[in-house]
Amino acid sequence: AQSVTQLGSHVSVSEGALVLLRCNYSSSVPPYLFWYVQYPNQGLQLLLKYTSAATLVKGINGFEAEFKKSETSFHLTKPSAHMSDAAEYFCAVSTDTGRRALTFGSGTRLQVQP
Amino acid sequence: NAGVTQTPKFQVLKTGQSMTLQCAQDMNHEYMSWYRQDPGMGLRLIHYSVGAGITDQGEVPNGYNVSRSTTEDFPLRLLSAAPSQTSVYFCASRGGHQPTGTDTQYFGPGTRLTVL
Repeated sequence: AQSVTQLGSHVSVSEGALVLLRCNYSSSVPPYLFWYVQYPNQGLQLLLKYTSAATLVKGINGFEAEFKKSETSFHLTKPSAHMSDAAEYFCAVSTDTGRRALTFGSGTRLQVQP
Repeated sequence: NAGVTQTPKFQVLKTGQSMTLQCAQDMNHEYMSWYRQDPGMGLRLIHYSVGAGITDQGEVPNGYNVSRSTTEDFPLRLLSAAPSQTSVYFCASRGGHQPTGTDTQYFGPGTRLTVL
């Protein structure tokens, strides 16, 4: 079985500040990890994914995430927040066994203060 | 290329009514799935399909039926709606003829359903 925990349902940062959204996973087999972003009243859009090729993954809009097996973590970061980054962010895990479906965390809503 | 489309965008039902949420994709993807999104719970898998004629249950399948007669379409049926089914429903698809876990999943815009 696999699961994802996102620490902090709400995160607030100032414009220009570092963004750090935390994600820890649990999986009995090698995981694939994803970050999705959801803007208000829209579907989910892929930000980046880890597929075992490189532990530091760069995504769209200046976001990146680092896979740390020893810490079972896949935290999302961005050096400087923009107002347009305000959205809900979901971490998800899948594997090559079982349903091969995404298992999502509960989400983190990012607020960016001017 | 429209991607994943869903209809309707909004729907209000009374308890006990039935309805079908439509989902279609034009990317020739084999794998399609339905999720529901509830506040503080992320997205939970309802049903999924690995190809035409093949469906299986996800985490929360009770109260929902699916079928997959074509590659393009994957409708979700609520046979007798209940207030607990008030949610936002997302359809998703991903490509690849091998069901690997690395394929990017593409999501539709969602259907917001309210059951009174």
